[in-house]
Amino acid sequence: DAGVTQSPTHLIKTRGQQVTLRCSPKSGHDTVSWYQQALGQGPQFIFQYYEEEERQRGNFPDRFSGHQFPNYSSELNVNALLLGDSALYLCASSLDRQGTQYFGPGTRLLVL
Amino acid sequence: QQQVKQSPQSLIVQKGGISIINCAYENTAFDYFPWYQQFPGKGPALLIAIRPDVSEKKEGRFTISFNKSAKQFSLHIMDSQPGDSATYFCAANSPTSGTYKYIFGTGTRLKVLA
Repeated sequence: DAGVTQSPTHLIKTRGQQVTLRCSPKSGHDTVSWYQQALGQGPQFIFQYYEEEERQRGNFPDRFSGHQFPNYSSELNVNALLLGDSALYLCASSLDRQGTQYFGPGTRLLVL
Repeated sequence: QQQVKQSPQSLIVQKGGISIINCAYENTAFDYFPWYQQFPGKGPALLIAIRPDVSEKKEGRFTISFNKSAKQFSLHIMDSQPGDSATYFCAANSPTSGTYKYIFGTGTRLKVLA
């Protein structure tokens, strides 16, 4: 049973560029949440997707957007990248919105 | 009120010892408290979780103690091993009231000496 998978594993971008990160949830899970984890910090909630709609959002600007597909996989898009967007981006999936969240390995984004 | 405060920031324990990590919260609506273990370069892995209707939950060498009146909960790692060396995060949310996002503590870096 595959767990949560994310791609790519690492990414280097320059300021002002746009990036798309991808996530496939654990088998049987229908809800995907995205978190940003800066070095040495705990993960910070970006948003949650359920039934192909953004359901809850954390304190992130609208440069951060996402999408959920009919097969429950999800994308995180970040526009106009800033140096401060450098972080580990984590995807977590759950059986439903209330369920325990299981995390993927993350995508390490470096903005130069 | 949304914060979860975690201590200590770092912890060094001898092999076979007990590691204790503490978390405190303010929001009484929180009703789900998971603990995650994270190795460098990896995503957080769920260790154990508790709801406030029980005061203790044990899974193998890992135990959560929960004090609802004090709004505190702690992770105890018994017989700590060098392989337990990682960063541990407590978290909280309130799924029964519709707040599904996890609020994470700042993490505790545990080193178990061989």
